[in-house]
Amino acid sequence: AQKITQTQPGMFVQEKEAVTLDCTYDTSDQSYGLFWYKQPSSGEMIFLIYQGSYDEQNATEGRYSLNFQKARKSANLVISASQLGDSAMYFCAMREGDTGNQFYFGTGTSLTVIP
Amino acid sequence: NAGVMQNPRHLVRRRGQEARLRCSPMKGHSHVYWYRQLPEEGLKFMVYLQKENIIDESGMPKERFSAEFPKEGPSILRIQQVVRGDSAAYFCASSRWGSLAKNIQYFGAGTRLSVL
Repeated sequence: AQKITQTQPGMFVQEKEAVTLDCTYDTSDQSYGLFWYKQPSSGEMIFLIYQGSYDEQNATEGRYSLNFQKARKSANLVISASQLGDSAMYFCAMREGDTGNQFYFGTGTSLTVIP
Repeated sequence: NAGVMQNPRHLVRRRGQEARLRCSPMKGHSHVYWYRQLPEEGLKFMVYLQKENIIDESGMPKERFSAEFPKEGPSILRIQQVVRGDSAAYFCASSRWGSLAKNIQYFGAGTRLSVL
């Protein structure tokens, strides 16, 4: 089974609107971390936001927030007030346990912000 | 992700040649990870190293691929006798600690390897 599933290959959003990018995960560990990265066309991977499995509150970083629903095993990224510079690939990732070494990545969602 | 330096950014090799990819972690980070990204896919873990030690190489192909992180100098991912299927983007990440689920991995800009 896939550890991380991103079901939206491509999304469009109007500038200044909010958009939600979906991510579901699969793990039997109680302790895990969830991450979102942005990959613009230039190719680098930029860390956006982190959510721990024991965190009771949803993580927020500026215009980014993570809608964490533990029972549903979902960790959706919400981008508020979209900007043209938000157009990029977005990857959800998970690290299992307290000693897991690798991140598991989804296949990504391509976001296009329309002026 | 500023601070993780990878070079070269682009590398072209002919089949059968060797490819050497370099990664200098962020200052203060002693844990390095290598990932491979094929077109239209997410990143796939290859190997995790600390200084002078390979900790986890469960994602490394059994042949032709090797990695090192010497006491001095950058981490090196080495691909011998490259084949066309090795064409991909190779990303290096570093972290301050190796454990803890909160540990954030910061990525470099990647090396795009093209095998002719």
